[in-house]
Amino acid sequence: DAKTTQPNSMESNEEEPVHLPCNHSTISGTDYIHWYRQLPSQGPEYVIHGLTSNVNNRMASLAIAEDRKSSTLILHRATLRDAAVYYCIRLLAPYEKLTFGTGTRLTIIP
Amino acid sequence: GAVVSQHPSRVICKSGTSVKIECRSLDFQATTMFWYRQFPKQSLMLMATSNEGSKATYEQGVEKDKFLINHASLTLSTLTVTSAHPEDSSFYICSARDRTGGVNSGNTIYFGEGSWLTVV
Repeated sequence: DAKTTQPNSMESNEEEPVHLPCNHSTISGTDYIHWYRQLPSQGPEYVIHGLTSNVNNRMASLAIAEDRKSSTLILHRATLRDAAVYYCIRLLAPYEKLTFGTGTRLTIIP
Repeated sequence: GAVVSQHPSRVICKSGTSVKIECRSLDFQATTMFWYRQFPKQSLMLMATSNEGSKATYEQGVEKDKFLINHASLTLSTLTVTSAHPEDSSFYICSARDRTGGVNSGNTIYFGEGSWLTVV
C-alpha cells in the first residue's frame, strides 16, 4: 500500500509548466516524499525528494504543503521527453523500501 | 548520478528452465537492493528486499523458493527465476541504495534499466 494518491493521467502543452499533485494525508513525521518517473520500457528514474521544505534541482521543483499532507511536483517547462509515468512515493522510515502506487501518466502535447 | 546496471536486458527461456538476472551497482556500494516486477500497463510490485550477506526479505505472496535472491557482495545481487512458466514473463527491475546514506537522510534509491523475461 503506497498510501499516496495521484491523478491517473494529466496532459500538458509543450514548453508550459506542469504541476503534478500528490496526496499523502497519512504521512508520518519521518517519511520522506520521493518522486520518480518511468519512461516506457525503462526502470524508474529519480526526480526529486524532500521532507518539509520546498526543494529544487535541475529536473524539477517539489513544493510540500505546510501540513505535509500533499505535495506538488513542478516541471517548469515541459518537453516531449518529460512524457512518462510519475510516481509520488512515501519512503517509509525506517523500512526504507519504495512502494509504488499507480502514478500519473503525463502526456505532453506538441 | 549513481548507476545501477542489470543484465541481461532481455532474455527468452523455455518453460521449466531457470534464468538468472544480475543487478550491479557500478559506482557505489549497496547494502540493500530491491527487486520488482512489472506487468504491462501496471505499476511496479515490490518482490523482495535483498541485504548483503543475509537472507532476502520477501513481500507477502512472493514465493521465495521460486524467486531466489542472492546478495553476495556490496555491488551485486542476483534474482533467479526457477522452473519458469509463461506467467512469470514480466519486466523485472532492481534498485539499490547507497550504503553511505542514513535512515533519516532520505537518501536516493537508484534503479536499473530493467530486464524483460519471456518464458515460452
